[in-house]
Formats: sequence, structure tokens, C-alpha cells
Amino acid sequence: GENVEQHPSTLSVQEGDSAVIKCTYSDSASNYFPWYKQELGKGPQLIIDIRSNVGEKKDQRIAVTLNKTAKHFSLHITETQPEDSAVYFCAASITGNQFYFGTGTSLTVIP
Amino acid sequence: SQTIHQWPATLVQPVGSPLSLECTVEGTSNPNLYWYRQAAGRGLQLLFYSVGIGQISSEVPQNLSASRPQDRQFILSSKKLLLSDSGFYLCAWKGQGRNYGYTFGSGTRLTVV
Repeated sequence: GENVEQHPSTLSVQEGDSAVIKCTYSDSASNYFPWYKQELGKGPQLIIDIRSNVGEKKDQRIAVTLNKTAKHFSLHITETQPEDSAVYFCAASITGNQFYFGTGTSLTVIP
Repeated sequence: SQTIHQWPATLVQPVGSPLSLECTVEGTSNPNLYWYRQAAGRGLQLLFYSVGIGQISSEVPQNLSASRPQDRQFILSSKKLLLSDSGFYLCAWKGQGRNYGYTFGSGTRLTVV
């Protein structure tokens, strides 16, 4: 099955700086890569996703890049704000029915 | 619009007691439904998923079971809870077909004492 690795496990940045979280996947058949944000005590929420036919996608301060050759994808958050503090999960899907999640990155934005 | 409801929000149960967590989805039909467990506030472990009524796939053999008695209802159960069953349980749904992200419920914090 698919194996998704996520780094770093914890990340602290100063407010206004950028944050980058990286994930690698093992199965080249994976074709859909969502990112989730989980605030304390809540369920994860989808924040951005990318399909394998696209190399980059941007939504305001959030962007995701995909390198199919290297089998890795990254989440970029620019101009970080304290409300960006949360745990972020990447995921990969082959069939669209089952998602394989990374182990999460705890992001802290220091005011 | 689609909404997902999960209850209860928190639950404290003694070891050996039964468990029933319920999840319902509104505003869609024939969704894929999932139960995940999250231990220690981090990794998401897929427990069960269902692509239709009465169709349950188990990812991890353990003390839990799942049922889907109706199209938009997914139930997680246990006959006898173990201490190791403590965790944050999340229900999720997605539309049929490829390339749709999950929508998660708000979760149930289960503490087995």
C-alpha cells in the first residue's frame, strides 16, 4: 500500500515568516493530494488539494507544489499569522476511496 | 449543503463496557463513510470504511466493529472496551468517485477508565 512520510513533525516560525511542510509518497499511482488543518479538539479541515496533472496550486497565502518524478509534495504558507497555528496533515490517494495520511506537523506561529 | 454530525463529543467509559458512536451525513446520497482514530493528538489511523449500506471494510483488526444500517448513517461499536481504545474518533465522508477530499466530523473524545 501507499506510505506517506511528513516532515517536520514540529515547526515554529515568527509571525510574518513563511512555513513549509514536506511530504513524500511511495506509490507512483497516487494522483490526489489533499492537505488538512486540525485545530485543537476539532476534526481536520481540508484547506487545499492538488491533482497529479497539476504542478502547483495557490489559494491566497497557501500554496501546494507537487513533484511527481521525485514523489513529493509540499505545503507553503506565506505571511504566517497566529491563527495558522495548528496541526497540518498531508494525504495521498490512489483510488479516491482511501486516503493515506502523513503523521502530522504541529505548526506554531509566534507573535 | 452537506453536513456531517458526530456524537457524543466526549465520552468516559469504564473498561469492559460497550460503546456506540454514531455519525450521520446530510445533504448527500451514497457517500463513502470512514471511521478514523487519532491517538495522542496526532496520526490518523483508518479503522473502517464503507462504500454502501451493509458494506464494511476493516483496516485494522481490533476490538471495534462498524455498521452502516442506512445510507447516511455509520456506527462504531465495541462489546467490551479496553484501555487502549481511548482516543479521538473521527467520522468522515466523501462523495463517490475520484479526487474528492474528505469532510471530517467534529470528533468524539473517548476516555476508557
